[in-house]
Amino acid sequence: NAGVTQTPKFRILKIGQSMTLQCAQDMNHNYMYWYRQDPGMGLKLIYYSVGAGITDKGEVPNGYNVSRSTTEDFPLRLELAAPSQTSVYFCASSYSTVVGLETQYFGPGTRLLVL
Amino acid sequence: EDKVVQSPLSLVVHEGDTVTLNCSYEVTNFRSLLWYKQEKKAPTFLFMLTSSGIEKKSGRLSSILDKKELFSILNITATQTGDSAIYLCAVVNGGSQGNLIFGKGTKLSVKP
Repeated sequence: NAGVTQTPKFRILKIGQSMTLQCAQDMNHNYMYWYRQDPGMGLKLIYYSVGAGITDKGEVPNGYNVSRSTTEDFPLRLELAAPSQTSVYFCASSYSTVVGLETQYFGPGTRLLVL
Repeated sequence: EDKVVQSPLSLVVHEGDTVTLNCSYEVTNFRSLLWYKQEKKAPTFLFMLTSSGIEKKSGRLSSILDKKELFSILNITATQTGDSAIYLCAVVNGGSQGNLIFGKGTKLSVKP
Protein backbone atom coordinates (compact mmCIF):
# COMPACT_ATOMS: atom_id res chain seq x y z
CA ASN A 1 0.00 0.00 0.00
CA ALA A 2 1.19 3.49 -0.84
CA GLY A 3 -0.85 4.89 2.06
CA VAL A 4 -1.76 8.56 1.67
CA THR A 5 -0.17 10.34 -1.29
CA GLN A 6 -0.18 14.04 -2.09
CA THR A 7 0.81 16.04 -5.14
CA PRO A 8 2.51 18.36 -5.78
CA LYS A 9 5.23 18.42 -3.11
CA PHE A 10 5.86 22.12 -3.58
CA ARG A 11 4.22 24.92 -5.51
CA ILE A 12 4.60 28.67 -5.88
CA LEU A 13 1.45 30.60 -6.77
CA LYS A 14 0.85 34.22 -7.61
CA ILE A 15 -1.88 36.10 -5.77
CA GLY A 16 -5.23 35.41 -7.40
CA GLN A 17 -4.21 32.17 -9.09
CA SER A 18 -6.04 28.95 -8.43
CA MET A 19 -4.86 25.40 -7.98
CA THR A 20 -5.89 21.97 -6.75
CA LEU A 21 -3.95 19.98 -4.22
CA GLN A 22 -4.39 16.29 -4.84
CA CYS A 23 -4.77 13.65 -2.16
CA ALA A 24 -5.35 9.94 -2.59
CA GLN A 25 -5.38 6.96 -0.24
CA ASP A 26 -5.41 3.26 -1.03
CA MET A 27 -6.39 1.95 2.40
CA ASN A 28 -10.14 2.04 1.76
CA HIS A 29 -10.57 4.62 4.51
CA ASN A 30 -13.91 6.36 4.72
CA TYR A 31 -12.69 9.43 6.58
CA MET A 32 -10.39 11.97 4.98
CA TYR A 33 -9.12 15.32 6.21
CA TRP A 34 -7.24 18.38 5.05
CA TYR A 35 -5.05 20.30 7.49
CA ARG A 36 -2.78 23.27 7.19
CA GLN A 37 0.28 23.79 9.34
CA ASP A 38 1.80 27.22 9.77
CA PRO A 39 5.27 27.69 11.31
CA GLY A 40 5.24 27.19 15.07
CA MET A 41 1.59 26.24 15.06
CA GLY A 42 -0.26 23.00 15.31
CA LEU A 43 -2.29 21.59 12.48
CA LYS A 44 -5.65 23.18 11.81
CA LEU A 45 -8.50 21.36 10.11
CA ILE A 46 -9.71 22.89 6.84
CA TYR A 47 -12.27 20.38 5.56
CA TYR A 48 -13.12 16.78 6.17
CA SER A 49 -15.15 14.03 4.56
CA VAL A 50 -16.88 11.05 6.16
CA GLY A 51 -17.42 9.26 2.88
CA ALA A 52 -17.83 9.69 -0.86
CA GLY A 53 -20.17 12.57 -1.60
CA ILE A 54 -20.09 13.96 1.95
CA THR A 55 -17.89 16.88 2.99
CA ASP A 56 -18.00 19.44 5.75
CA LYS A 57 -16.10 22.49 6.97
CA GLY A 58 -13.45 22.35 9.62
CA GLU A 59 -11.92 25.13 11.67
CA VAL A 60 -10.44 27.24 8.84
CA PRO A 61 -12.41 26.61 5.60
CA ASN A 62 -12.45 30.12 4.12
CA GLY A 63 -10.74 30.32 0.74
CA TYR A 64 -10.90 26.59 0.11
CA ASN A 65 -13.23 24.04 -1.44
CA VAL A 66 -13.24 20.27 -1.52
CA SER A 67 -15.01 17.44 -3.27
CA ARG A 68 -15.16 13.70 -2.66
CA SER A 69 -16.43 11.84 -5.68
CA THR A 70 -14.65 8.59 -4.80
CA THR A 71 -13.51 6.93 -1.60
CA GLU A 72 -9.88 7.22 -2.69
CA ASP A 73 -9.57 10.87 -3.68
CA PHE A 74 -10.08 14.10 -1.74
CA PRO A 75 -8.78 17.14 -3.66
CA LEU A 76 -8.50 20.59 -2.08
CA ARG A 77 -9.16 23.59 -4.28
CA LEU A 78 -7.83 27.12 -3.78
CA GLU A 79 -9.77 29.49 -6.00
CA LEU A 80 -8.09 32.88 -5.43
CA ALA A 81 -4.75 32.35 -3.76
CA ALA A 82 -3.79 34.83 -1.05
CA PRO A 83 -0.51 35.24 0.86
CA SER A 84 -2.32 34.07 4.02
CA GLN A 85 -2.64 30.67 2.38
CA THR A 86 1.12 30.17 2.37
CA SER A 87 1.44 27.04 4.47
CA VAL A 88 2.13 23.33 4.46
CA TYR A 89 -0.95 21.28 3.66
CA PHE A 90 -1.44 17.78 4.94
CA CYS A 91 -4.05 15.29 3.89
CA ALA A 92 -4.96 12.48 6.28
CA SER A 93 -7.28 9.52 6.38
CA SER A 94 -8.69 7.16 8.97
CA TYR A 95 -10.62 3.93 8.83
CA SER A 96 -13.21 4.80 11.42
CA THR A 97 -14.14 7.20 14.15
CA VAL A 98 -14.89 4.40 16.56
CA VAL A 99 -12.83 4.93 19.69
CA GLY A 100 -9.60 3.01 19.28
CA LEU A 101 -9.79 2.90 15.49
CA GLU A 102 -9.57 6.58 14.78
CA THR A 103 -5.85 6.97 14.13
CA GLN A 104 -5.28 9.33 11.26
CA TYR A 105 -2.53 8.58 8.77
CA PHE A 106 -0.91 11.52 7.06
CA GLY A 107 0.39 12.17 3.58
CA PRO A 108 3.83 13.74 3.02
CA GLY A 109 2.45 17.26 2.68
CA THR A 110 2.34 19.98 0.04
CA ARG A 111 4.30 23.14 0.67
CA LEU A 112 2.55 26.13 -0.88
CA LEU A 113 4.01 29.60 -1.26
CA VAL A 114 1.77 32.44 -2.43
CA LEU A 115 3.58 35.54 -3.63
CA GLU B 1 -13.05 26.74 23.39
CA ASP B 2 -11.42 23.37 22.94
CA LYS B 3 -7.66 23.49 23.24
CA VAL B 4 -4.56 21.37 23.56
CA VAL B 5 -1.45 22.85 25.16
CA GLN B 6 1.97 21.30 24.92
CA SER B 7 5.03 22.13 26.96
CA PRO B 8 7.79 22.89 26.64
CA LEU B 9 7.63 24.35 23.14
CA SER B 10 11.25 23.46 22.56
CA LEU B 11 13.86 21.40 24.33
CA VAL B 12 17.56 20.74 23.76
CA VAL B 13 19.15 17.70 25.37
CA HIS B 14 22.22 15.53 24.91
CA GLU B 15 22.26 11.95 23.75
CA GLY B 16 21.48 9.58 26.57
CA ASP B 17 19.27 12.03 28.45
CA THR B 18 15.69 11.22 29.39
CA VAL B 19 12.99 13.70 28.41
CA THR B 20 9.36 14.18 29.36
CA LEU B 21 7.00 16.03 27.07
CA ASN B 22 3.70 17.34 28.41
CA CYS B 23 0.27 17.71 26.90
CA SER B 24 -2.77 19.14 28.66
CA TYR B 25 -6.19 19.49 27.14
CA GLU B 26 -9.60 21.03 27.57
CA VAL B 27 -12.21 19.57 25.24
CA THR B 28 -15.94 19.26 25.49
CA ASN B 29 -16.17 15.58 24.65
CA PHE B 30 -12.89 13.72 24.99
CA ARG B 31 -12.54 10.45 23.11
CA SER B 32 -8.84 9.74 22.84
CA LEU B 33 -5.40 11.34 22.76
CA LEU B 34 -2.78 10.70 20.13
CA TRP B 35 0.94 11.39 19.95
CA TYR B 36 2.68 11.93 16.62
CA LYS B 37 6.32 12.42 15.67
CA GLN B 38 6.98 14.89 12.89
CA GLU B 39 10.37 15.03 11.29
CA LYS B 40 10.71 16.77 7.96
CA LYS B 41 7.46 15.68 6.47
CA ALA B 42 4.26 14.04 7.60
CA PRO B 43 3.39 13.31 11.21
CA THR B 44 3.83 9.64 11.98
CA PHE B 45 1.68 7.94 14.56
CA LEU B 46 3.22 6.94 17.89
CA PHE B 47 0.49 6.18 20.43
CA MET B 48 -3.22 6.36 21.01
CA LEU B 49 -4.44 6.63 24.61
CA THR B 50 -8.03 6.21 25.63
CA SER B 51 -7.91 4.98 29.23
CA SER B 52 -6.34 6.56 32.28
CA GLY B 53 -3.32 5.01 33.89
CA ILE B 54 -2.47 2.49 31.21
CA GLU B 55 1.04 3.04 29.89
CA LYS B 56 1.68 2.53 26.22
CA LYS B 57 5.25 1.56 25.42
CA SER B 58 7.26 1.22 22.25
CA GLY B 59 10.99 0.74 22.68
CA ARG B 60 12.41 3.78 24.43
CA LEU B 61 9.16 5.72 24.12
CA SER B 62 6.28 5.50 26.53
CA SER B 63 3.16 7.50 27.20
CA ILE B 64 0.42 7.66 29.77
CA LEU B 65 -2.88 9.48 30.11
CA ASP B 66 -4.52 11.01 33.17
CA LYS B 67 -8.15 11.72 32.34
CA LYS B 68 -8.86 13.18 35.76
CA GLU B 69 -6.14 15.81 35.48
CA LEU B 70 -6.61 16.14 31.71
CA PHE B 71 -3.02 15.58 30.64
CA SER B 72 -0.66 13.13 29.07
CA ILE B 73 3.10 12.74 29.07
CA LEU B 74 5.44 11.27 26.50
CA ASN B 75 8.71 9.90 27.87
CA ILE B 76 11.79 9.19 25.82
CA THR B 77 14.66 7.43 27.58
CA ALA B 78 18.28 7.21 26.41
CA THR B 79 17.63 9.78 23.70
CA GLN B 80 19.37 9.53 20.34
CA THR B 81 19.97 12.14 17.65
CA GLY B 82 17.32 10.37 15.58
CA ASP B 83 14.74 11.37 18.18
CA SER B 84 15.13 14.99 17.10
CA ALA B 85 11.73 16.01 15.80
CA ILE B 86 8.57 17.89 16.62
CA TYR B 87 6.27 15.85 18.83
CA LEU B 88 2.61 16.60 18.35
CA CYS B 89 -0.18 15.86 20.78
CA ALA B 90 -3.74 15.72 19.45
CA VAL B 91 -7.09 15.03 21.05
CA VAL B 92 -10.02 13.45 19.30
CA ASN B 93 -13.08 15.47 20.14
CA GLY B 94 -16.59 14.08 20.24
CA GLY B 95 -18.76 13.94 17.18
CA SER B 96 -19.04 11.72 14.15
CA GLN B 97 -16.16 13.20 12.22
CA GLY B 98 -13.32 12.24 14.54
CA ASN B 99 -11.73 15.68 14.44
CA LEU B 100 -8.25 16.03 15.83
CA ILE B 101 -7.38 19.14 17.83
CA PHE B 102 -3.63 19.61 17.78
CA GLY B 103 -1.26 21.29 20.17
CA LYS B 104 1.53 23.43 18.76
CA GLY B 105 4.07 20.71 19.32
CA THR B 106 7.33 20.34 21.22
CA LYS B 107 10.49 20.69 19.19
CA LEU B 108 13.07 18.28 20.57
CA SER B 109 16.73 18.62 19.59
CA VAL B 110 19.11 15.90 20.70
CA LYS B 111 22.79 16.88 20.52
CA PRO B 112 25.54 14.27 20.13
